[in-house]
Amino acid sequence: DAKTTQPPSMDCAEGRAANLPCNHSTISGNEYVYWYRQIHSQGPQYIIHGLKNNETNEMASLIITEDRKSSTLILPHATLRDTAVYYCIVTGNNDMRFGAGTRLTVKP
Amino acid sequence: GAVVSQHPSWVICKSGTSVKIECRSLDFQATTMFWYRQFPKQSLMLMATSNEGSKATYEQGVEKDKFLINHASLTLSTLTVTSAHPEDSSFYICSAREGLANTGELFFGEGSRLTVL
Repeated sequence: DAKTTQPPSMDCAEGRAANLPCNHSTISGNEYVYWYRQIHSQGPQYIIHGLKNNETNEMASLIITEDRKSSTLILPHATLRDTAVYYCIVTGNNDMRFGAGTRLTVKP
Repeated sequence: GAVVSQHPSWVICKSGTSVKIECRSLDFQATTMFWYRQFPKQSLMLMATSNEGSKATYEQGVEKDKFLINHASLTLSTLTVTSAHPEDSSFYICSAREGLANTGELFFGEGSRLTVL
């Protein structure tokens, strides 16, 4: 069973920030939070991951709450090419399991 | 960046035949590789974890005699769908990890779409 809960779908206006939430209330101390996305009929693409500190890279920012029970992926300036299914995964010891994800649609 | 390559990207086969899908890590050594299956409009389902030089660990409900996994080297894992049937038609995706568990990025291949007639 997936350890995360995400909204099934979200819309975002092009150029605006997309904030994708993820609940992982049963996360344990040694588990990381990973985010991947999948564009139709392609393999998942790594976005970012973190343990407890907020993280930022060229693609996105990851905000993890202090209690680590939830996180938010932020795409600062969404483009049409960011339309995809976004998966939040909590993993420990090679247990990389996907939940249903959030289908993000970026609209012009 | 690190690349995982799958071959073939798509394959059509007759019912009852076997199909082999290869997964290669092109510029890193992958001690562990993962195999997933994805049906249309569904999420990825983990099928098995493949460790170099040892037997794969299969998820509950996945038939190990039907989905044969071999991980003979640090850069190659293969999935063989034996005696394929139309219900095995799916998108099969492999992934490989560089580095230690939990601290390494998991790289995914582009997937192999299997259609069984």
